[in-house]
Amino acid sequence: AQSVTQLGSHVSVSEGALVLLRCNYSSSVPPYLFWYVQYPNQGLQLLLKYTSAATLVKGINGFEAEFKKSETSFHLTKPSAHMSDAAEYFCAVRSTTSNTGKLIFGQGTTLQVKP
Amino acid sequence: EAGVAQSPRYKIIEKRQSVAFWCNPISGHATLYWYQQILGQGPKLLIQFQNNGVVDDSQLPKDRFSAERLKGVDSTLKIQPAKLEDSAVYLCASRTETGEGNEQFFGPGTRLTVL
Repeated sequence: AQSVTQLGSHVSVSEGALVLLRCNYSSSVPPYLFWYVQYPNQGLQLLLKYTSAATLVKGINGFEAEFKKSETSFHLTKPSAHMSDAAEYFCAVRSTTSNTGKLIFGQGTTLQVKP
Repeated sequence: EAGVAQSPRYKIIEKRQSVAFWCNPISGHATLYWYQQILGQGPKLLIQFQNNGVVDDSQLPKDRFSAERLKGVDSTLKIQPAKLEDSAVYLCASRTETGEGNEQFFGPGTRLTVL
């Protein structure tokens, strides 16, 4: 069975500050890992994904995430927050051995960016 | 390339009424997913289609929810009769079969309010 835990349902940072959104996963097989962003009244947009190549993954809008197998973590970071980064962020895990492509999502983290 | 289309965007109904949602996936995507996203939670898979066949409907409340994808393209999700706890955003996503860790592309969702 797979699961995802996002630590902190709300994160607040000042504009220009470091963004760190935490994600820990549980998987009995090597996983694929994803970060999605959801703006109000919109669907989910892929930020980045880990597919067993490089452990440091760069995504869109200056975000990146590092896969750490020993810590079962896939935290999302951005060096300098922008007001437009305010949104809901979801971490998701998918089995590499399943042919269904089913995603298991965390409960989400709301990022607030203060001016 | 056109994204995943969904309609309607918003729907308000009384409990015990029926409602249907429509999804048109990205052209050429064989796999289609319906998710339910309750406020404050991550999306939860309801049903997955591969072409016009059901791959996974283990979390679909079959006493009231039904879905079909008759021609392997468009899909409809129906709720009959609706309950208050069905208030949520219903997201449709599609995925191509090629590429490692090939991600799901999400539509804007249908926000359902059951009164």
